[in-house]
Amino acid sequence: SQWGEENLQALSIQEGEDVTMNCSYKTYTTVVHWYRQDSGRGPALIILIRSNEREKRSGRLRATLDTSSQSSSLSITAAQCEDTAVYFCATAPRGSWQLIFGSGTQLTVMP
Amino acid sequence: NAGVIQTPRHKVTGKGQEATLWCEPISGHSAVFWYRQTIVQGLEFLTYFRNQAPIDDSGMPKERFSAQMPNQSHSTLKIQSTQPQDSAVYLCASSFGGQDTQYFGPGTRLLVL
Repeated sequence: SQWGEENLQALSIQEGEDVTMNCSYKTYTTVVHWYRQDSGRGPALIILIRSNEREKRSGRLRATLDTSSQSSSLSITAAQCEDTAVYFCATAPRGSWQLIFGSGTQLTVMP
Repeated sequence: NAGVIQTPRHKVTGKGQEATLWCEPISGHSAVFWYRQTIVQGLEFLTYFRNQAPIDDSGMPKERFSAQMPNQSHSTLKIQSTQPQDSAVYLCASSFGGQDTQYFGPGTRLLVL
């Protein structure tokens, strides 16, 4: 799992496998953002889940949010090579618009 | 829509020199954010503006870093007397505000020799 104090995690899977990345956060938040970052580019939002949503889906992506345990997960179904990227979770502290990013998970999907 | 534009994409400076990084946010976005990314520290918040006004600079190193947003179409991050530890990718993002999606530029890779 990732958060700011942890080292960047690395996962390597085969194309077609499912994968889940976990994130825990320390401060109260009403929304968790999941971003992916491709090499040489800025992060791009892939899914955003709010505190009134326990689960959210977008294509092959599924995010969950458990506010009681302050944790979120991102799952990718039937991963493709193009899913290779670094995935970050991020939250905004109460009353602020800035994002606090987790340490990230480097996902490599091999053919 | 060209997205968030950052210039230059790469900058190399000598220790002690000044570096100015530019960001053009997406038109219509009210918030502009600056982050710094390194292998060791990850993605760190530096500062942000709301409707051009500075709101929170709690992530900025106090002495040598400054940011401005003179108009709604661009923001600058200035680093005076650059040090090797300032080497990083500096990312600018903009959003409509609140906890809405932040759209990131490609970043400026700064290398201080």
